[in-house]
Amino acid sequence: DQQVKQNSPSLSVQEGRISILNCDYTNSMFDYFLWYKKYPAEGPTFLISISSIKDKNEDGRFTVFLNKSAKHLSLHIVPSQPGDSAVYFCAASRYSGTYKYIFGTGTRLKVLA
Amino acid sequence: DAGVIQSPRHEVTEMGQEVTLRCKPISGHDYLFWYRQTMMRGLELLIYFNNNVPIDDSGMPEDRFSAKMPNASFSTLKIQPSEPRDSAVYFCASSLRGGTTYNEQFFGPGTRLTVL
Repeated sequence: DQQVKQNSPSLSVQEGRISILNCDYTNSMFDYFLWYKKYPAEGPTFLISISSIKDKNEDGRFTVFLNKSAKHLSLHIVPSQPGDSAVYFCAASRYSGTYKYIFGTGTRLKVLA
Repeated sequence: DAGVIQSPRHEVTEMGQEVTLRCKPISGHDYLFWYRQTMMRGLELLIYFNNNVPIDDSGMPEDRFSAKMPNASFSTLKIQPSEPRDSAVYFCASSLRGGTTYNEQFFGPGTRLTVL
């Protein structure tokens, strides 16, 4: 049973436009959410996170939005650049002293020059 | 810092053979995680350790899988006997409680396992 879902396996966007990656979760007890980025033949690297007490967190070109009532979060990349082409994983965590992440299946983003 | 180190980077073996994957976490990190990545299920947490002690192994798929952390700088994930369905990329990650970013985990480059 997938508690964290990324329903779009792939996304293509023109350079300079906005990329929107979506993620849904089922467990209302999750209180911390993260996005990781993964290039081929490398491990995932942390990109941005958001706590459930917020609905938006921004870091440069990257913004994560959280809609708790819909159990939905999204990652916006503006403007998109060819170097952003990668697989993006969302992850959710429920702090209970365990530091355990539940990851989605990932979305492959391709930014076209 | 060299980051999380995993070896080997690639492993090809035959069904029934024993496979051992190795991980060296970032020095000073007190949590170590083993993940498996497949197309169908994404990144699945297999097991994690805190201060070398296994905390949660509920993600370990079967008794064929075992993991150890004999000291703070080394961990192994063993599959015995291996099966074709174990073919995946296995990642090790480490984190530091109270680090600069809450819950940030640092991943190694992964081991691509192919079981024929």
